[in-house]
Amino acid sequence: GESVGLHLPTLSVQEGDNSIINCAYSNSASDYFIWYKQESGKGPQFIIDIRSNMDKRQGQRVTVLLNKTVKHLSLQIAATQPGDSAVYFCAENSGFSGYNKLIFGAGTRLAVHP
Amino acid sequence: DSGVTQTPKHLITATGQRVTLRCSPRSGDLSVYWYQQSLDQGLQFLIQYYNGEERAKGNILERFSAQQFPDLHSELNLSSLELGDSALYFCASSPRTGPDSGNTIYFGEGSWLTVV
Repeated sequence: GESVGLHLPTLSVQEGDNSIINCAYSNSASDYFIWYKQESGKGPQFIIDIRSNMDKRQGQRVTVLLNKTVKHLSLQIAATQPGDSAVYFCAENSGFSGYNKLIFGAGTRLAVHP
Repeated sequence: DSGVTQTPKHLITATGQRVTLRCSPRSGDLSVYWYQQSLDQGLQFLIQYYNGEERAKGNILERFSAQQFPDLHSELNLSSLELGDSALYFCASSPRTGPDSGNTIYFGEGSWLTVV
């Protein structure tokens, strides 16, 4: 299958460099955020999440930063590899307590060049 | 492999027809979510079920309906299909409902629907 979202912003990086993908979210009441990676023809794959009571969370080669003041989320990928090439989506949990209604951003395409 | 299974993977049908997409959640997950991904709309939340009951509704058209069965699998029914319904339809599942960092939502590989 083909990727969707042909008009996505694209971030081009060299292999080995660090990548920073940014996301602005819409709901100041959102309390949980997730980054997903979507490769061509596949479903979104969970990368890392963060709750609103934190401003930073680290995983393996990835770090998520949350700035609630300006409603901004970023994903940092260290030592970017060709396998990191994909579309990255941020998602916010937007809904009433007890509901899990993820609202996705438009996505950013990451292109890693050797 | 996320553990979420969707069938069929690809489907081509004519306008006006009706199709059913099927989803088996990850073992033990009680919540099922349906999302639509199209070129111009991105990933849109359609509906969520938890243990057989509807829990949240998003931008789901009246021509679309869903249900979750006692064995926790779910079906998304799309009727009176239009060209604009052509999209990738994703099912996702999680153990529980509600915002929780321990309640990760995992996605299936999607069902490609083409309406001609």
